[in-house]
Amino acid sequence: NAGVMQNPRHLVRRRGQEARLRCSPMKGHSHVYWYRQLPEEGLKFMVYLQKENIIDESGMPKERFSAEFPKEGPSILRIQQVVRGDSAAYFCASSPLQPTSGGPYEQYFGPGTRLTVT
Amino acid sequence: KQEVTQIPAALSVPEGENLVLNCSFTDSAIYNLQWFRQDPGKGLTSLLLIQSSQREQTSGRLNASLDKSSGRSTLYIAASQPGDSATYLCAVRSGTYKYIFGTGTRLKVLA
Repeated sequence: NAGVMQNPRHLVRRRGQEARLRCSPMKGHSHVYWYRQLPEEGLKFMVYLQKENIIDESGMPKERFSAEFPKEGPSILRIQQVVRGDSAAYFCASSPLQPTSGGPYEQYFGPGTRLTVT
Repeated sequence: KQEVTQIPAALSVPEGENLVLNCSFTDSAIYNLQWFRQDPGKGLTSLLLIQSSQREQTSGRLNASLDKSSGRSTLYIAASQPGDSATYLCAVRSGTYKYIFGTGTRLKVLA
């Protein structure tokens, strides 16, 4: 069972271009989470998606950022008109279960996409 | 608002030494706490997950403890090896699905 896959692993964009980051969750997982890690900082929650639904996007900047998880295919994190401050590692995680307050629940993380904006 | 702090930020020890990494959190109402390892330029490897009802978890040379009432967790690494060199991240599941991460402890084990 392959783990969470992210591509590309490294992405270089010039200021003003668009960045598209892809995440394929583990097989059988229908819950996807995106986190961002700025240099020398911990990971910060951005958005939680289920198939065709955005459940919580409270951690995502209101402008230029969007996320989707279509019925078929990977989840996409899209950053329009990138700026230098968007340079970071973007991690995707997935889980098989509906998150509940009790019981076992774990998120499985992908290797990340490192975005560099020049 | 939940905040997670890890001390020290960096640690350098000689090979073979036992060491303790610390994680503290401000809101004791957590569902679980997880320790991860992150190698430079790589993703996260889950080390240990402690449910809120548990006090500790062990895996090989690693032991993690959890004291919810005091808002603390420790990761104990026995007989450290150069291969243990990495950044260790602590994350608490605060809220049904959000993980709040600390900024990590960069560990270097010297041969």
